[in-house]
Amino acid sequence: QSVLTQPPSASGTPGQRVTISCSGSTSNIGSKNVNWYQQFPGTAPKLLIYNNNQRPSGVPDRFSGSRSGTSASLAISGLQSEDEADYYCAAWDVSLSGWVFGGGTKLTVL
Amino acid sequence: EVQLVESGGGLVQPGGSLRLSCAASGFTFSTSWMHWVRQAPGKGLMWVSHINSDGSDRIHAASVKGRFTISRDNAKNTLYLEMNGLRAEDTAVYYCVRGGPLGANWGQGTLVTVSS
Repeated sequence: QSVLTQPPSASGTPGQRVTISCSGSTSNIGSKNVNWYQQFPGTAPKLLIYNNNQRPSGVPDRFSGSRSGTSASLAISGLQSEDEADYYCAAWDVSLSGWVFGGGTKLTVL
Repeated sequence: EVQLVESGGGLVQPGGSLRLSCAASGFTFSTSWMHWVRQAPGKGLMWVSHINSDGSDRIHAASVKGRFTISRDNAKNTLYLEMNGLRAEDTAVYYCVRGGPLGANWGQGTLVTVSS
């Protein structure tokens, strides 16, 4: 059971906008920044969003992040087939004194 | 180009030990926080430990505390993870990860399999 809760799956059609949620508590998302990662099968994860809504260089602006209270969201607009991947959220947990991840969301592009 | 290259994984019996290494290049290793993150087969990501830039501060996840030790050699640009008392549930791909923010760069991972 992951400390951060994500839906196990999400889907959308090309061009659509999809959002993936990440729910936590006051000891993590409620007080610390959230990062998002993208992972394709058989490869290492890649940082997609950091500090809630910042994109590393090279990440398309179709990807955006937000945080409100003890929840965070990743939004993907103009969905493309190459966005089909697993997505994970993460945050520092002050009670556990460690980083915690969501269980991951498998995004399918229909 | 940033490169993180892990090595040292393999098959080990329950109760055994392994030392993972991560050779870093393409960035200033000595000023970077570093992490180990693992992923069990078919499962999600789990943070294992981190170490600050000079090695004076290190934290381990509760599930590995007392069994795993993270360390670094800034002169060799290398990160380590000493793993003792290995259990079946430690079977995973172990990733070397650069911090600032967490996941700025990832290695390709090294597979650790704990089985008799």
